[in-house]
Amino acid sequence: DAKTTQPTSMDCAEGRAANLPCNHSTISGNEYVYWYRQIHSQGPQYIIHGLKNNETNEMASLIITEDRKSSTLILPHATLRDTAVYYCIVSRGRAAGNKLTFGGGTRVLVKP
Amino acid sequence: DAGVTQSPTHLIKTRGQQVTLRCSPKSGHDTVSWYQQALGQGPQFIFQYYEEEERQRGNFPDRFSGHQFPNYSSELNVNALLLGDSALYLCASSLRVADRELFFGEGSRLTVL
Repeated sequence: DAKTTQPTSMDCAEGRAANLPCNHSTISGNEYVYWYRQIHSQGPQYIIHGLKNNETNEMASLIITEDRKSSTLILPHATLRDTAVYYCIVSRGRAAGNKLTFGGGTRVLVKP
Repeated sequence: DAGVTQSPTHLIKTRGQQVTLRCSPKSGHDTVSWYQQALGQGPQFIFQYYEEEERQRGNFPDRFSGHQFPNYSSELNVNALLLGDSALYLCASSLRVADRELFFGEGSRLTVL
């Protein structure tokens, strides 16, 4: 699986959009971009995933660049409960099974 | 609808002992994976079970073994515990063996003294 690079930490203001970048310059054509987050003392939580097109769900939006070498997770209106470590993961298709390779993630602190 | 449940939530062992951790997957899920998360690091994949067989394995020694039961629940066993085995052990379940939308439990925190 391709390696990802994320900022170690970032702060954002409550009620504002939080934009979390991820670099995956070695991504290959059959690899998806996944985002998970882990709130303190809890297990990781799936947020969203995508292959080429931008994706949106009730939690967030995922913007993938045309060359697929980077992506941005957008939390449209951050709340204090969004304080967590956010993991960007690149993973192959179905052949990879449940194996996700987590890096260090971005520690996001939402401030009032 | 119960999510993924793990037991025990916390436990303390000494070096050389053996430990068994248990996991019940989310209702309707048939695939279970186990991850180890050391303090301050991201989770690391240990192995995956589907149809009562180990399907994939990460870079962990044979001291780590598992089992899946007909009701899809699973156990993780670690023998000859080392201090470095101290970690949060996470169980995740999914609908299909190749699904990467995983549902995680809250983990079992193991401390080895």
